[in-house]
Amino acid sequence: DGGITQSPKYLFRKEGQNVTLSCEQNLNHDAMYWYRQDPGQGLRLIYYSQIVNDFQKGDIAEGYSVSREKKESFPLTVTSAQKNPTAFYLCASTHRGGGADEQFFGPGTRLTVL
Amino acid sequence: RKEVEQDPGPFNVPEGATVAFNCTYSNSASQSFFWYRQDCRKEPKLLMSVYSSGNEDGRFTAQLNRASQYISLLIRDSKLSDSATYLCVVNYYTGNQFYFGTGTSLTVIP
Repeated sequence: DGGITQSPKYLFRKEGQNVTLSCEQNLNHDAMYWYRQDPGQGLRLIYYSQIVNDFQKGDIAEGYSVSREKKESFPLTVTSAQKNPTAFYLCASTHRGGGADEQFFGPGTRLTVL
Repeated sequence: RKEVEQDPGPFNVPEGATVAFNCTYSNSASQSFFWYRQDCRKEPKLLMSVYSSGNEDGRFTAQLNRASQYISLLIRDSKLSDSATYLCVVNYYTGNQFYFGTGTSLTVIP
């Protein structure tokens, strides 16, 4: 079955440590996105990529980094510079740029900083 | 001003009731509109796209009013399984960014 996978589902890290969240899709989608969701809040865009080897900052990119070396993969690194990283992280993809297509989401990773 | 605004609710309605949610967006250049459903601690899933002429899918009806810059979702004959958070989403073709409302919480009561 085609879809988006994220791993791990739950992640715990100590303050000061970097951590990388995985996102893989086999939908052959061009565009991929990372969002953060905090309790009672909407999704906020961290980074997005419309093609391989290119990505743009979203509204809350500070303290995060990404790479897009392959079409199917878009890992997110949460660095120690992110002051409040505990949140629910969602990866999404769309077939192509242009906006008419829906976004498909992975199951998410819950990150807790201890 | 937020790009997309929704009444967070909560909406608590009895089974069988009809409930409507509205969502306003700030940018008249918005091109695509969607309603997503999100269950507790799960990822959002597409409920329906919203077309200019309005569209219906079973008990769900979505409407778009470009002049007033709002979209609506109507749920008829509410079921217990409709309990969830409903997210309004708009997209601008330029930049291909999606903007999400904070969601409206619905609980259908037996």
